[in-house]
Amino acid sequence: SQKIEQNSEALNIQEGKTATLTCNYTNYSPAYLQWYRQDPGRGPVFLLLIRENEKEKRKERLKVTFDTTLKQSLFHITASQPADSATYLCALSNSGYALNFGKGTSLLVTP
Amino acid sequence: SAVISQKPSRDICQRGTSLTIQCQVDSQVTMMFWYRQQPGQSLTLIATANQGSEATYESGFVIDKFPISRPNLTFSTLTVSNMSPEDSSIYLCSVVSGGVNLSGYTFGSGTRLTVV
Repeated sequence: SQKIEQNSEALNIQEGKTATLTCNYTNYSPAYLQWYRQDPGRGPVFLLLIRENEKEKRKERLKVTFDTTLKQSLFHITASQPADSATYLCALSNSGYALNFGKGTSLLVTP
Repeated sequence: SAVISQKPSRDICQRGTSLTIQCQVDSQVTMMFWYRQQPGQSLTLIATANQGSEATYESGFVIDKFPISRPNLTFSTLTVSNMSPEDSSIYLCSVVSGGVNLSGYTFGSGTRLTVV
């Protein structure tokens, strides 16, 4: 069956450090993979999209890698800030536009 | 990117009743998606709604329970019918941004439904 797995345990890091979140998938051949941020009581907010032919993508303090051989994506937040505390969701699609989401990893950045 | 207005933002409903959730988009979009997020869980796709055709439902979701309307390219409704406490969830609509250049998806702010 298709699975999208993210670390279920919350990630606690100190302000200024780099946060690294992992997304692994099975039985998908995605053309692209996306990362979203979700705050409590809010809908997800799009952060980054990386295509299957891209190894790495950056946006300000965010970096995403995509390894289709390992079936894994890593999401990095450098120089993390308390305002980065949220749940981060990995999402991908096997075909068409409908997205499937992982359960998300909760990130807590402490001052 | 598109802006979505979703309402109601929350509601408390009696079991056996129905609730209709509305999503209004500020631009024309071909596809709209409806998701459910149960407490502590991630988002689960309910159905894809295209204007002018029947919605396509995911496994485990049926039209009788979750009828969807898509009367035009900027609006859609999802009805949760004959509700039970198990239907208590956050319901979200979503659209694709960027067309063929795909620049992510925009989500509504969600409808928090509690069935008592």
